[in-house]
Amino acid sequence: QQKVQQSPESLIVPEGGMASLNCTSSDRNVDYFWWYRQHSGKSPKMLMSIFSNGEKEEGRFTVHLNKASLHTSLHIRDSQPSDSALYLCAASPPSGGNYKPTFGKGTSLVVHP
Amino acid sequence: DPKIIQKPKYLVAVTGSEKILICEQYLGHNAMYWYRQSAKKPLEFMFSYSYQKLMDNQTASSRFQPQSSKKNHLDLQITALKPDDSATYFCASSPGQGNTEVFFGKGTRLTVV
Repeated sequence: QQKVQQSPESLIVPEGGMASLNCTSSDRNVDYFWWYRQHSGKSPKMLMSIFSNGEKEEGRFTVHLNKASLHTSLHIRDSQPSDSALYLCAASPPSGGNYKPTFGKGTSLVVHP
Repeated sequence: DPKIIQKPKYLVAVTGSEKILICEQYLGHNAMYWYRQSAKKPLEFMFSYSYQKLMDNQTASSRFQPQSSKKNHLDLQITALKPDDSATYFCASSPGQGNTEVFFGKGTRLTVV
């Protein structure tokens, strides 16, 4: 059973549009959320992380976290064709113990010109 | 300048044969991991090592055996290869066993014929 659920599975947005991606953990023993981006044929690279309730913004990218519902979302404004990629969400428990970064199935984003 | 070196980049193997995937990291990290990704399955956690000690094994088959000769080295031996083993195998590392970013190598694309 996948402990990190992502939606939608795929998303198409026009260039300049807003892309919104969702991620929820079914494991209540998580405290940290990560968003990775994987371009086609490449390896995943960390995009943003969030540990506290609320919002975090870095350029065109904004992440939200609701710890009570274990839900995080990634929003990309003014989407560019170069943003087309697989977006992976990961959740991890508090420090200590066995660290096993577990990823969701991902959201495939296509930004068309 | 890649800091996590995986060899080879591409590998074609015959069903029933044995192969070793090489991974070395030069980030000074204490934790290393193996992940697998294919068109049929999402990014899947396989093993985690910390200070050369196996921390977690999520691979049901004993055909997959990680080997760590040095702290920065984690190879993956796969025996009795099957076509279903065809996937891209990513080696990854993180500073420690905690809530830190995971860095991925470029992967070894394995095709079993």
